[in-house]
Amino acid sequence: DSGVTQTPKHLITATGQRVTLRCSPRSGDLSVYWYQQSLDQGLQFLIQYYNGEERAKGNILERFSAQQFPDLHSELNLSSLELGDSALYFCASSPTWASYNEQFFGPGTRLTVL
Amino acid sequence: DAKTTQPTSMDCAEGRAANLPCNHSTISGNEYVYWYRQIHSQGPQYIIHGLKNNETNEMASLIITEDRKSSTLILPHATLRDTAVYYCIVRALRGGSQGNLIFGKGTKLSVKP
Repeated sequence: DSGVTQTPKHLITATGQRVTLRCSPRSGDLSVYWYQQSLDQGLQFLIQYYNGEERAKGNILERFSAQQFPDLHSELNLSSLELGDSALYFCASSPTWASYNEQFFGPGTRLTVL
Repeated sequence: DAKTTQPTSMDCAEGRAANLPCNHSTISGNEYVYWYRQIHSQGPQYIIHGLKNNETNEMASLIITEDRKSSTLILPHATLRDTAVYYCIVRALRGGSQGNLIFGKGTKLSVKP
């Protein structure tokens, strides 16, 4: 158990819909990362937040957005969903924003878009 | 961050040592070698990291060649639960660099009874 929690575990929805994925980092960790893992693309970094502020952006689509709240939990919002958005979405946390920190991953949310 | 090359897959007998190679010939002086693994559809798990000296922890050993162009992750007594995809990642530990991990395709290790 990494100490990072993600909800829901599974999500099934239809094309065009909007969903919200939630992540609670390990106690004391200020940085949250979101990753997407699809069969054809592998594990891809989406976005990083540190203490409520966006820190780094990766291959995140404009239809996707995220935020980190004052209690440090984070939400990833996916809108106008397409079939290709079906994937595992992982959240990870680390103590600071720095690259030397080990990252602790949550169990993931499996999104299926029908 | 430097690019890494790993074999696509490897097999290992249960109880034997699993040696997973990684080539990182373009690694620069301030870049570390990190290893993570992902057991089927679970979140990736940190294993170990090192700069140039060999490192050991309760999970594994990391052997880095003197020229630092390659490394080997060693699981000394592999068990069926070590079956996973193992990712070798090279990262610079600069204070200003981004913290995200860049995953390649990794090595799928299958531990067989």
